[in-house]
Amino acid sequence: LAKTTQPISMDSYEGQEVNITCSHNNIATNDYITWYQQFPSQGPRFIIQGYKTKVTNEVASLFIPADRKSSTLSLPRVSLSDTAVYYCLVGDIMDTDKLIFGTGTRLQVFP
Amino acid sequence: EPEVTQTPSHQVTQMGQEVILRCVPISNHLYFYWYRQILGQKVEFLVSFYNNEISEKSEIFDDQFSVERPDGSNFTLKIRSTKLEDSAMYFCASRVGGQQETQYFGPGTRLLVL
Repeated sequence: LAKTTQPISMDSYEGQEVNITCSHNNIATNDYITWYQQFPSQGPRFIIQGYKTKVTNEVASLFIPADRKSSTLSLPRVSLSDTAVYYCLVGDIMDTDKLIFGTGTRLQVFP
Repeated sequence: EPEVTQTPSHQVTQMGQEVILRCVPISNHLYFYWYRQILGQKVEFLVSFYNNEISEKSEIFDDQFSVERPDGSNFTLKIRSTKLEDSAMYFCASRVGGQQETQYFGPGTRLLVL
């Protein structure tokens, strides 16, 4: 499983765009990149998943460069309720479906 | 929107006692999981379950742990003889199956072993 590196924490203000970058230099050909969000005392919640280029859904965008050694989760116009821990996970979803969580990025949004 | 539910939300037990944590996965899901998160630490995989048997388990999931799907709706995690270090949030998750399907997590059970 590819090791991931994310910033430990980030601060932002309401209405701003937040970009959280994850490094995964050892990503394998079959690995997908998945981001989860976790609020305090709650279970992780799936945000977005991608393999390459750009993926967008109603919550976020995921940018993956051609070499796939990193990825960036983009949250447009954050609100206070986006304060949470964000996890980047990399793995071969065809090989194993267990999720390996790192320490994540703690995003604090201020008014 | 369908969701994974877990009971109880909190449980306090004495060391050495048995506990059973219950989960009701989303109804059409076929794959089930337990994870745990010790306070302030990472979410850790415990076990995955499919077709009425364990498909994968971690080193944490030793002989004191067991899982069961006793009926068509419940998925349980039993800890036979709890230890202080079993104190954690326990999350159940499920997914439909097939490729690239996301796991949906329940709200968790906070277990405190005294």
